[in-house]
Amino acid sequence: DAMVIQNPRYQVTQFGKPVTLSCSQTLNHNVMYWYQQKSSQAPKLLFHYYDKDFNNEADTPDNFQSRRPNTSFCFLDIRSPGLGDAAMYLCATSRGQGTYEQYFGPGTRLTVT
Amino acid sequence: GQQVMQIPQYQHVQEGEDFTTYCNSSTTLSNIQWYKQRPGGHPVFLIQLVKSGEVKKQKRLTFQFGEAKKNSSLHITATQTTDVGTYFCAGRGAGGTSYGKLTFGQGTILTVHP
Repeated sequence: DAMVIQNPRYQVTQFGKPVTLSCSQTLNHNVMYWYQQKSSQAPKLLFHYYDKDFNNEADTPDNFQSRRPNTSFCFLDIRSPGLGDAAMYLCATSRGQGTYEQYFGPGTRLTVT
Repeated sequence: GQQVMQIPQYQHVQEGEDFTTYCNSSTTLSNIQWYKQRPGGHPVFLIQLVKSGEVKKQKRLTFQFGEAKKNSSLHITATQTTDVGTYFCAGRGAGGTSYGKLTFGQGTILTVHP
């Protein structure tokens, strides 16, 4: 089945130690998003790619970076994780922008020790 | 910036009771989407509303988009335990700096007691 896959599902990292989360999709969608979701809160958009065009949200910390080497894969790099970065990180895709629905992956739960 | 407010934050109902969550945007929306997130799960798309005053139904779920395209509601008739989860609205800005941006409401956590 076509889907959005995230690896790993659970990630533990140490304070300040760089970590990379990955997302892949078999939907061949043009747009890929990264959201941060903390407990009992709404998903917060960090950035998104429309094809190769990167769009950063104004309030996304510089500590968060992203790469999209091809249509299928997108990575979230956290350069120096702090305790406040512990959260669920959700990857989503959509065929385009505008009226298109978003398909979410299962998420990666990040713990910072 | 665009803000999307959703109420109530929590709703506890007995199975069989109705449930409604409301969504209000600070700016006019081009469309609004609704998502459901089961406990421990990820958001799953339910529906999209585009037209002013639009009403759509999915079995026991009724979705409405306000005439001014700034508010929306989701109503569930005769809740079941399978309805448990968090319901998010997500509005897409219609103009200005919020054009095209999808902003999620805070969500309503629904608990259904059998």
